Amino acid sequence: EVQLVESGGGLVQPGRSLRLSCAASGFTFDDYAMHWVRQAPGKGLEWVSGISWNSGSIGYADSVKGRFTISRDNAKNSLYLQMNSLRAEDTALYYCAKDLGPLLRQRGGFDYWGQGTLVTVSS
Amino acid sequence: DIQMTQSPSSLSASVGDRVTITCRASQSISSYLNWYQQKPGKAPKLLIYAASSLQSGVPSRFSGSGSGTDFTLTISSLQPEDFATYYCQQSYSTPGFGPGTKVDIK
Repeated sequence: EVQLVESGGGLVQPGRSLRLSCAASGFTFDDYAMHWVRQAPGKGLEWVSGISWNSGSIGYADSVKGRFTISRDNAKNSLYLQMNSLRAEDTALYYCAKDLGPLLRQRGGFDYWGQGTLVTVSS
Repeated sequence: DIQMTQSPSSLSASVGDRVTITCRASQSISSYLNWYQQKPGKAPKLLIYAASSLQSGVPSRFSGSGSGTDFTLTISSLQPEDFATYYCQQSYSTPGFGPGTKVDIK
């Protein structure tokens, strides 16, 4: 059974940092691209960042470019999101999601999602 | 960046109704279009990928069509468990989601 379990969320002051983790199991982690998608309270889905199977291709939403860094450790079946210079508008539930394929741009969607970890940026 | 729009933003329907949701991209995305269903308090669920391919385990009453800039998600006979919000998403370039369409009970 595929499982994605996010952790690392919490309450943080504006300007501070937070590191999210996603532990994956039940599939061959290094065969697939992975993504972070967020959802602000009562709002729609926003893709945040994605990373290809071998970390050779990485992408970011304009809203987080230069502040967030995605990475993965295939030996540990884990995905990470380092979030720096956090802003109030980064407050959201952050989902880890598995891609259908190994690359970032391909005909396929995100077939498995975690339950999310809540990040609240407030003073 | 490619902008995604959906119409309508919400709709009311009855069990058994045929429901159609439209998604439009600001430029051609070929068939790099996916559809998701999200229920309150739950993670999104992939329904359709590559515009018309049904994800494993998804009921056949869901179907997708379109290419280029205009796409459609159709639910042939709405069931009680289908009341939810539906999002389209393009994977042609930096992934982006549409604003969502909420389907509720008439």
